Formats: sequence, structure tokens, C-alpha cells
Amino acid sequence: LAKTTQPISMDSYEGQEVNITCSHNNIATNDYITWYQQFPSQGPRFIIQGYKTKVTNEVASLFIPADRKSSTLSLPRVSLSDTAVYYCLVGPYTGGFKTIFGAGTRLFVKA
Amino acid sequence: EPEVTQTPSHQVTQMGQEVILRCVPISNHLYFYWYRQILGQKVEFLVSFYNNEISEKSEIFDDQFSVERPDGSNFTLKIRSTKLEDSAMYFCASRDLMGGYEQYFGPGTRLTVT
Repeated sequence: LAKTTQPISMDSYEGQEVNITCSHNNIATNDYITWYQQFPSQGPRFIIQGYKTKVTNEVASLFIPADRKSSTLSLPRVSLSDTAVYYCLVGPYTGGFKTIFGAGTRLFVKA
Repeated sequence: EPEVTQTPSHQVTQMGQEVILRCVPISNHLYFYWYRQILGQKVEFLVSFYNNEISEKSEIFDDQFSVERPDGSNFTLKIRSTKLEDSAMYFCASRDLMGGYEQYFGPGTRLTVT
């Protein structure tokens, strides 16, 4: 599994766009990038998954440059309820037997 | 929307006792997982289960732990002789055949060992 590096914490204000970047320099050819969100005392919640370029769903966008050595989770117009820990995971799409969560990025959204 | 459920939500037990944590994964999912999270720390992988056998397990998952899928719907984690350091949130997760890392987590069971 590729090692990932994320900022430990970020602050933002309501209504702003938040971009959280994850570095994964040793990503393998068949690896996908997956992001999770976790609120206190709850299980992680799958947000988005992608392989290259851009993926968008109703919650977020995921930007992956051509070299795939990093990825950026973009949260549009955050609200107080987006305050959570965000995890970046990298691994093969057909694998996923052993899932390693890092420390994640603590996002704090202020009013 | 289908969801993973876990029971109980909170379990208090004495050191040395056996506990069984229960999970009902999403019905058409084929891969099942247990994780734990000690208060204030990161989510730790314990074990994955596929086709009625363990696929991977972590160093944490020693002989005190076991998993079972006793019927077509339940997935259980047993801790044979609990220790104080087993106090944590335990999360169950499941995914379908081609889900990669798209796992669906349950709400967790808070285990308190006294």
C-alpha cells in the first residue's frame, strides 16, 4: 500500500472552498485514490474515489494530476457540519483487503 | 439506503471476560472488515474476511480475537479475554466485489473494559 502524507489540520470559514492535498509519491499503476470523512464517534464515511484527472460527485471533487503522485479533495462552500477528519487512502481497486488509515486531516470550519 | 448495523452500541465488560460484537453488513456485499479506534487515535485495521475465511489481519488481531460469519447476515468479532487496552470503538465495514476501498462503515460499538 502506498504511503500517504496529508496536512495534520486545516481551518476554514463557512462558505469557502476547501482543498486538502494528499501526497502519494510511490503510488502504483493499478492504485486508486479514496477519500473518507469521519465525524467524532462515528465510523468513516466514503466520500469519493478516483484513478486520474477529475472525479466529481454530489459531495466533493477529486483532482488527480497526470503523474498521480498527489491528489486534492475539494469541498465546495463548506459549512460548520463539514468539520471532520478527512483521510486519503491509496491502494489497488481489486484489492482492499488490508486498509490502512493514516492520521488524516482535521478540518475545522468556523462561522 | 442500505446500511451496516452494529450491536450493541455500547458494551461494558470486566477484564478477562469474553465479548462478542455483532455486525450486519449490507446484504449483497462480499467483503467484511473490523476496525478499532482508541479514543483520540486513528482508525486501525484489524481483519478482513472474504469467502468465509480471513483474508488479511493486522498485528493487533492476535489469538484473543476471532471472527465468524455464523449465518448469511451476521458478522461477529469475539474477544476471548478482554484487557483494559481493548477499550475502544469497534467498527464493522463491508464492500461489494469490485468496490476497491469503497467501504461502508457501521456506527460502531463502544467497548469499555473495566
